[in-house]
Amino acid sequence: GAVVSQHPSWVICKSGTSVKIECRSLDFQATTMFWYRQFPKQSLMLMATSNEGSKATYEQGVEKDKFLINHASLTLSTLTVTSAHPEDSSFYICSARDPLAGPRNEQYFGPGTRLTVT
Amino acid sequence: DAKTTQPTSMDCAEGRAANLPCNHSTISGNEYVYWYRQIHSQGPQYIIHGLKNNETNEMASLIITEDRKSSTLILPHATLRDTAVYYCIVKVRDSGYSTLTFGKGTMLLVSP
Repeated sequence: GAVVSQHPSWVICKSGTSVKIECRSLDFQATTMFWYRQFPKQSLMLMATSNEGSKATYEQGVEKDKFLINHASLTLSTLTVTSAHPEDSSFYICSARDPLAGPRNEQYFGPGTRLTVT
Repeated sequence: DAKTTQPTSMDCAEGRAANLPCNHSTISGNEYVYWYRQIHSQGPQYIIHGLKNNETNEMASLIITEDRKSSTLILPHATLRDTAVYYCIVKVRDSGYSTLTFGKGTMLLVSP
């Protein structure tokens, strides 16, 4: 099946710094990618939807100036957490939709990135 | 998208069938039932989806009731590696702009 990778798998940063997380579709071109956040013992919450070459659409309550999303190519989307604070510590997961997946049309998820802000 | 209701947790003995129920009584005619699972500290994994007919693939079977108000995911021979949170999601399978809304899912624990 299709593979989505994320880098880094985990990162620790100091409060006030910015962190960039990469999401890549390895064997397909993803016109649409999604970013989720998951706090401990909670479910995944969609943060934003990004379409290649256009601005991301953010879910209600997600600050677009704090969580910068760039989807500059069909295989790469990045999420930058700016001026990170301890409350931003979470598990960040991306997913990508393969437009050629046919009737399955499901999303392929990355392995996630564990962010810890100290 | 329609909401779903799943039990919080279930136990299953290794080698036995795991039957995970999901209620989606407000499902619309154009909404599909999708199942994903998430093993601890990993990204979700697609399992199966269906509209109204029963479906089977290499991972599982999906049984949808005739009125489509509920479904059951069946793992025929559960292994320890099937321990995960299983999410039942209903959504329209359209051009690609609809999103997946994850509920709390069912924590399936497979024990020896």
